[in-house]
Amino acid sequence: DVKVTQSSRYLVKRTGEKVFLECVQDMDHENMFWYRQDPGLGLRLIYFSYDVKMKEKGDIPEGYSVSREKKERFSLILESASTNQTSMYLCASTPRVMNTEAFFGQGTRLTVV
Amino acid sequence: AQKVTQAQTEISVVEKEDVTLDCVYETRDTTYYLFWYKQPPSGELVFLIRRNSFDEQNEISGRYSWNFQKSTSSFNFTITASQVVDSAVYFCALSEAQVGAGNMLTFGGGTRLMVKP
Repeated sequence: DVKVTQSSRYLVKRTGEKVFLECVQDMDHENMFWYRQDPGLGLRLIYFSYDVKMKEKGDIPEGYSVSREKKERFSLILESASTNQTSMYLCASTPRVMNTEAFFGQGTRLTVV
Repeated sequence: AQKVTQAQTEISVVEKEDVTLDCVYETRDTTYYLFWYKQPPSGELVFLIRRNSFDEQNEISGRYSWNFQKSTSSFNFTITASQVVDSAVYFCALSEAQVGAGNMLTFGGGTRLMVKP
């Protein structure tokens, strides 16, 4: 069974903390994505990566960075968490084939207090 | 820029009713792909369907059907004889055909469907 696994379902962090959200996929996919989900706004793309050590900004990259040191792992980093980053974060992966379906993790609900 | 609009934020129906979820999109590309995903309470988005812009045939899969109309830029989703297990948030999404890095999706705001017994 193919899987995208996010390391935490729920996280509570304090303002100013450095936060790492981890995502691992076992499908040997080239592309990996981080989305943020907020009510009424759907999912918005933060960053994506199409290869190891490669990254591209999405629609809302401010306040975030990413790391992809291995093909299967894509990390989202909040350098200094703020309350407006309280949200649901979803990781996804796809193969390099164009416009194919994405596979999603279960999401991490992050609360910054 | 591409945009996807799901005007219905919440829909509540009673089991066995039919329900249609609306999706309207905007894109300048002539080649693009449309998707529907389901997000049950567990949180993981589940792929339902993909349709490319050159294929306007409607599709039926069990109780699910999709109506793609290029003339109105709509890709609506109908559930026939709804069941409680259909309760979820449904997202419509768009991707433009692109070479190389890609498969980026633009999502609508989602429609929360509640099916009551």
